[in-house]
Amino acid sequence: QFQLKESGPGLVKPSGTLSLTCAVSGGSISSGNWWSWVRQPPGKGLEWIGEIQHSGSTNYNPSLKSRVTISVDKSKNQFSLTLTSVTAADTAVYYCAHNGRWCLEYWGQGSLVAVSS
Amino acid sequence: EIVLTQSPGTLSLSPGERATLSCRASQSVSSNYLAWYQQKPGQAPRLLIFGTSSRATGIPDRFSASGSGTDFTLTISRLEPEDFALYYCQQYGNSPMYTFGQGTRLEIK
Repeated sequence: QFQLKESGPGLVKPSGTLSLTCAVSGGSISSGNWWSWVRQPPGKGLEWIGEIQHSGSTNYNPSLKSRVTISVDKSKNQFSLTLTSVTAADTAVYYCAHNGRWCLEYWGQGSLVAVSS
Repeated sequence: EIVLTQSPGTLSLSPGERATLSCRASQSVSSNYLAWYQQKPGQAPRLLIFGTSSRATGIPDRFSASGSGTDFTLTISRLEPEDFALYYCQQYGNSPMYTFGQGTRLEIK
């Protein structure tokens, strides 16, 4: 069973870049599955951001695609999220997750990122 | 993009009662591609059901789900105090790969 943990700054300035890392334990990130990022604005629902496979292949939500990059570091068994040109609308709890059979099977605890000057 | 609409928005029931939550899709969804999650305050979502009706590891059998096409249902047979939470359905599609319903809040009456 995988364990995931997000880390990164809790505060980002408007127009800046949000960067988060997800450390994976309990198994290798190269297991062949996909790995996702999901966010949840305070008091609101869930939005899938994108996914990456250990090979580096990615898929992104079209609504965020122009600003999102997801990358993987197999040597560190982790993957990362970068979101550029952030605004207050990007304030959310950001979760990393392990993809199961067409679902998100294991989730990190979440990392709250606020966009504010 | 397939839109998922959950109903009701809030469901007020008592422990021991039966809960029925609905998830309706704007287009037909493969039965392999429909999942349900539970989320408690301050916690990450937890996978309950995948493939429309298969319980995830460790999920008690009072949780069951069914459906096909555009209409899917999550049923909790006898509510325990720990079942009062937010519930989301999710479908897997083309782009974006994953979309979620807006959630149903199950609260204690």
